[in-house]
Amino acid sequence: ETGVTQSPTHLIKTRGQQVTLRCSSQSGHNTVSWYQQALGQGPQFIFQYYREEENGRGNFPPRFSGLQFPNYSSELNVNALELDDSALYLCASSLRGLGSTEAFFGQGTRLTVV
Amino acid sequence: GESVGLHLPTLSVQEGDNSIINCAYSNSASDYFIWYKQESGKGPQFIIDIRSNMDKRQGQRVTVLLNKTVKHLSLQIAATQPGDSAVYFCAAPLGLKTSYDKVIFGPGTSLSVIP
Repeated sequence: ETGVTQSPTHLIKTRGQQVTLRCSSQSGHNTVSWYQQALGQGPQFIFQYYREEENGRGNFPPRFSGLQFPNYSSELNVNALELDDSALYLCASSLRGLGSTEAFFGQGTRLTVV
Repeated sequence: GESVGLHLPTLSVQEGDNSIINCAYSNSASDYFIWYKQESGKGPQFIIDIRSNMDKRQGQRVTVLLNKTVKHLSLQIAATQPGDSAVYFCAAPLGLKTSYDKVIFGPGTSLSVIP
């Protein structure tokens, strides 16, 4: 186990709804990255949060947003859900700076949009 | 844009044989590569990494080879075991060396081990 926990593990939402996914980072890690993994594909980078600020963003629309809290946990919010948002959402925690590059992934949240 | 890709989406090997999983990348500036293993229902797990100033790195039963000339890397698993069955991703982080802010993943190779 990596020490990175995500909740919920599974979620079903209706198109047009909003969803919030949560991630608790590994102890001592100050950075959280979020990824979307469609079935049969590799994870796609959504954005990263470092010290409560967005620090880099992938090719995702503004309806994907996030937060990082003082304890370094993080939320991913998706508004106006679309069917194509159905995917496994992964968060990864890491320690930014000091040359550290290893990231630890949570088990993911499986989101189904119907 | 940057891309990282694998040559084969699926690979089946006999238990005890060696496995070789290949990956190509497009960005010549990439200086660090990671291999991840993802088992069903789990997030990706770090296996081994390699920096561009190296052409080979060995871990426990795994070896990564990097050929910068043809922008290709491979993951070799010795004496493949049933527990090695998973999807394997090569990945290339981007950004500053002290903070890899965005990781580009390939599409993955699904390794099946035949008992």
